[in-house]
Amino acid sequence: QTVVTQEPSFSVSPGGTVTLTCGLSSGSVSAGSYSSWYQQTPGQAPRTLIYSTHSRSSGVPGRFTGYILGNKAALTITGAQADDEADYYCMLHVGSGIWMFGGGTKLTVL
Amino acid sequence: EVQLLESGGGLAQPGGSLTVSCAASGFTFSSYAMGWVRQAPGKGLEWVSGISGRGDSTYYADSVKGRFTISRDNSKNTLFLQMNSLRAEDTAVYYCAKDQECIDWGQGTLVTVSS
Repeated sequence: QTVVTQEPSFSVSPGGTVTLTCGLSSGSVSAGSYSSWYQQTPGQAPRTLIYSTHSRSSGVPGRFTGYILGNKAALTITGAQADDEADYYCMLHVGSGIWMFGGGTKLTVL
Repeated sequence: EVQLLESGGGLAQPGGSLTVSCAASGFTFSSYAMGWVRQAPGKGLEWVSGISGRGDSTYYADSVKGRFTISRDNSKNTLFLQMNSLRAEDTAVYYCAKDQECIDWGQGTLVTVSS
């Protein structure tokens, strides 16, 4: 049973930099995993930040960067702002047209 | 501007059926794969199902395989998810998403399975 792993929670100071990661319980994340990242605040639909590993969705500021870090996908937020406080989810293509989300990371900005 | 508007959510009995729909506009619907993602109350996102642009390829999460059917009507720019043999654990907000990588999202429709 494949599981997509994320840190349950993370904290960052305003103006700081934080890197969230997304891995596979068995195997490595690669460009072929087409990793994507989503931001969700309470009561709202998810907002797409990054798709296809590093492509920024329309309107997403440049301080959000997606890439492969070792055997995981990563999302770095540079110059964190108060409204970056949210849940962050990654999604990976795990094969044969099947996609899977990670459990999400709750990011606190304080 | 891409717009995705889900409808059809509501209360269903365990073992019952329900179909949710997603009306799409602002892009060439038939050119894009589409999908459904759900979120149970207080829980994370779960990918449910995907369908190719022409509708000739469909994909399902193990949790819904054999019970849910995804389909689309490209003449009406509409995506569907037919849900049969519903269980309490299917209770969730169901989101429609554009493209395999869920680049655009609707606002969701709540499905509650309860007796």
